[in-house]
Amino acid sequence: EVQVLESGGGLVQPGGSLRLSCAASGFTFSGYAMSWVRQAPGKGLEWISYIRSSGGSTYYADSVKGRFTISRDNSNNTLYLQMNSLRAEDAAVYHCAKDLRVPVGGVTFSAFDIWGQGTMVTVSS
Amino acid sequence: AIQMTQSPSSLSASVGDRVTITCRASQGIRNDLGWYQQKPGKAPKLLIFGASSLQSGVPSRFSGSGSGTDFTLTISSLQPEDSATYYCLQDYDFPFTFGPGTKVDIK
Repeated sequence: EVQVLESGGGLVQPGGSLRLSCAASGFTFSGYAMSWVRQAPGKGLEWISYIRSSGGSTYYADSVKGRFTISRDNSNNTLYLQMNSLRAEDAAVYHCAKDLRVPVGGVTFSAFDIWGQGTMVTVSS
Repeated sequence: AIQMTQSPSSLSASVGDRVTITCRASQGIRNDLGWYQQKPGKAPKLLIFGASSLQSGVPSRFSGSGSGTDFTLTISSLQPEDSATYYCLQDYDFPFTFGPGTKVDIK
């Protein structure tokens, strides 16, 4: 079964750090770009980071740039999100998602087809 | 960053109704847009990519259209299981951005 499973969430104080993991199975992890998307309680989805299949290129939302780092270990089929200088507004469920990267008529579209159930991050003193 | 808006923010419709949700980008994004469905407590589900391509396994009552700045998601005949929040996502340029969502309820 193709799936991804997040872990590493929990309670952290403001200014603290946390590292999230996303374990992939059922597909060739090294062949796909991946993203992190979060959802604060009662709010909408927020895209926060993206990493290409090789790990060579990474991208971030302005809200987390300079504080969060996305990385991957293709030998262990795992995606990571290192979160530093955490703020109250970072509290959310964090999902990882696989990008299908579909070519259509000479253009390649991102299409996040596999999502995990998420891991909850709470930032509070 | 490209800003995405959606309308309406919520709607209530009857089973069998045709439902249309609109997504607008703050600048042209070709047809680099996806639609996602999310039910409470669940992970989002991919419905449409490339503005109009239906993801495998998604019922054909879902369709997408548009290009440039204006896009629509249409449910041709609303079913009870379609009660959910729907989000558009632009993947034209980083940072990717989601719309604020449209909540669809069944009357």
